Amino acid sequence: QVQLQQWGAGLLKPSETLSLTCAVYGGSFSGYYWTWIRQSPGKGLEWIGEIHHSGSTHYNPSLKSRATISVDTSKNQFSLNLTSVTAADTAVYYCASDYGSGLFDNWGQGTLVTVSS
Amino acid sequence: DIQMTQSPSSLSASVGDRVTITCRASQSISSHLSWYQQKPGKAPKLLIYEASNLQSGVPSRFSGSGSGTDFTLTISSLQREDFATYYCQKSYITPWTFGQGTKVEIK
Repeated sequence: QVQLQQWGAGLLKPSETLSLTCAVYGGSFSGYYWTWIRQSPGKGLEWIGEIHHSGSTHYNPSLKSRATISVDTSKNQFSLNLTSVTAADTAVYYCASDYGSGLFDNWGQGTLVTVSS
Repeated sequence: DIQMTQSPSSLSASVGDRVTITCRASQSISSHLSWYQQKPGKAPKLLIYEASNLQSGVPSRFSGSGSGTDFTLTISSLQREDFATYYCQKSYITPWTFGQGTKVEIK
């Protein structure tokens, strides 16, 4: 069974870069898309983007190229960078596994990221 | 992007009640619709995929139906552990989008 454990800074100032990492334990690292999703009171659940172990990525156009997802196959980890954050980026961020065309069957514990001056 | 709209946004029900939640897509998505359950402070949990397929380990009191633009999630006999928020989500083609959620509360 795949388990995901995530970490990263929880408090940022406007214009800073959000950085989160998710480690994958158990199961197979290949064959999945590895995903970032966030949840804020105002916008609900929002898909940010995903990466395959091969490096292929897909992003939500709504983030206007601020998001970058990378993968480190040697550590079974993947990461999210989100640049130029504002208060609107305040949310709980989740990593998740996509086992088939947008089916998220395993999730990390979530990280609350607050953007405040 | 395809928008997903759920109704109602919240409902009150009693243990043993039959509960139905509706999700509507802004254009046809065939059967590419999933349902998730989320409890406070926890990540969402996949319940149903491709409109009507039960994820492994999910109780059979949960069922899903629909195709095209209109979908339903039904809980045949509500249990105490089912009080939570439920989300629909469009799958198959990115961007993946979620409904705004339906909170099921105890009456």
